[in-house]
Amino acid sequence: EAGVAQSPRYKIIEKRQSVAFWCNPISGHATLYWYQQILGQGPKLLIQFQNNGVVDDSQLPKDRFSAERLKGVDSTLKIQPAKLEDSAVYLCASSFGLPQMNTEAFFGQGTRLTVV
Amino acid sequence: GNSVTQMEGPVTLSEEAFLTINCTYTATGYPSLFWYVQYPGEGLQLLLKATKADDKGSNKGFEATYRKETTSFHLEKGSVQVSDSAVYFCALKSSNTGKLIFGQGTTLQVKP
Repeated sequence: EAGVAQSPRYKIIEKRQSVAFWCNPISGHATLYWYQQILGQGPKLLIQFQNNGVVDDSQLPKDRFSAERLKGVDSTLKIQPAKLEDSAVYLCASSFGLPQMNTEAFFGQGTRLTVV
Repeated sequence: GNSVTQMEGPVTLSEEAFLTINCTYTATGYPSLFWYVQYPGEGLQLLLKATKADDKGSNKGFEATYRKETTSFHLEKGSVQVSDSAVYFCALKSSNTGKLIFGQGTTLQVKP
């Protein structure tokens, strides 16, 4: 079974530029999560999708971050414009079934973003 | 809201020592609890899980028991190996929304 795919693996941009990350979850997984992991910290949930609907985006900085999952499969996370403090690893994860089910999440390798 | 608190690291042990990493949580309802591990240069992977009170999750010699009375899910291993050196994350999944949140992580370094 293929895992969660993310691209690119690494990205370096200048502040005020824009950047997009792509995630393809495991086939059949309805729930998709995006996390931000700053060095030395735990993953912070940015947004959670159930199919193509948003379940939780309470910690997404909506003035600069946006995410979509138009067909309920793959997803894109965008930052525009980027700030220095956005330097982090962006993780995508997916899980099977309804959000309320006790299934575990599977993680991609992440995209390491450096803003200079 | 829900939250997860882990003991601060780093934790440094000698090979074959006993390991405990403390994790406590705050949650409404009946969350599921997880331990994830991140080995150097690798992604997050599930180590073990427990889905209801008094459940014990186990894998690779690691164990954790879901204690609702103390709102804890401490990770233990009887004899650590150098290959266990990694960052360990405690996580909670809400039974209402499926929101999955993590603790801050605990770095374990095992010396030969």
